[in-house]
Amino acid sequence: GAGVSQTPSNKVTEKGKYVELRCDPISGHTALYWYRQSLGQGPEFLIYFQGTGAADDSGLPNDRFFAVRPEGSVSTLKIQRTERGDSAVYLCASSSTGSSTEAFFGQGTRLTVV
Amino acid sequence: AQSVTQLDSQVPVFEEAPVELRCNYSSSVSVYLFWYVQYPNQGLQLLLKYLSGSTLVKGINGFEAEFNKSQTSFHLRKPSVHISDTAEYFCAVSQNSGGSNYKLTFGKGTLLTVNP
Repeated sequence: GAGVSQTPSNKVTEKGKYVELRCDPISGHTALYWYRQSLGQGPEFLIYFQGTGAADDSGLPNDRFFAVRPEGSVSTLKIQRTERGDSAVYLCASSSTGSSTEAFFGQGTRLTVV
Repeated sequence: AQSVTQLDSQVPVFEEAPVELRCNYSSSVSVYLFWYVQYPNQGLQLLLKYLSGSTLVKGINGFEAEFNKSQTSFHLRKPSVHISDTAEYFCAVSQNSGGSNYKLTFGKGTLLTVNP
């Protein structure tokens, strides 16, 4: 596609449920990033993939959060046992190299945990 | 580690007035600097970036920013704003060497509201 695509655009879930957020990067981009933007805050880094592997997952807040990129293209962010504090906009970005200077962002998934 | 401080959470201005959005950063290493814009319910769009060279950087939509190393600042300016510039603006930094130049650290954002 022309840009980074994230689905769904909005997700409402009940506390304790499991959710999956999908990111489809720009074709050919080997690097993929997830960020979380809480209300009134700037985006915060979660995880960085280079190809299929997570090169840096230091931003994942706890073990309820997990992300995969099995074929080096589409990535899924998975959140188990959701909590109200997980409510945020989850942003995905991709780049052709592993550099912030070339990253393009998607429109985000707004997750609301009720 | 890096940090970014955006000194104003909200900046209201009138249409056609000049505007400056302030950004200061802290880092123990050399950095790349960025300004992003976020329109309501949309993702981040890159306005401009400083990588090296000239400290005055020109971006899209008539915006420019100046890197001041001694003051560790990267303020964003526009000489005459339009209603359509109303949006949230984020300053960001990343390390420019070593193995961590993939990670962006963002400020909390400045909401620019342009009034008629």
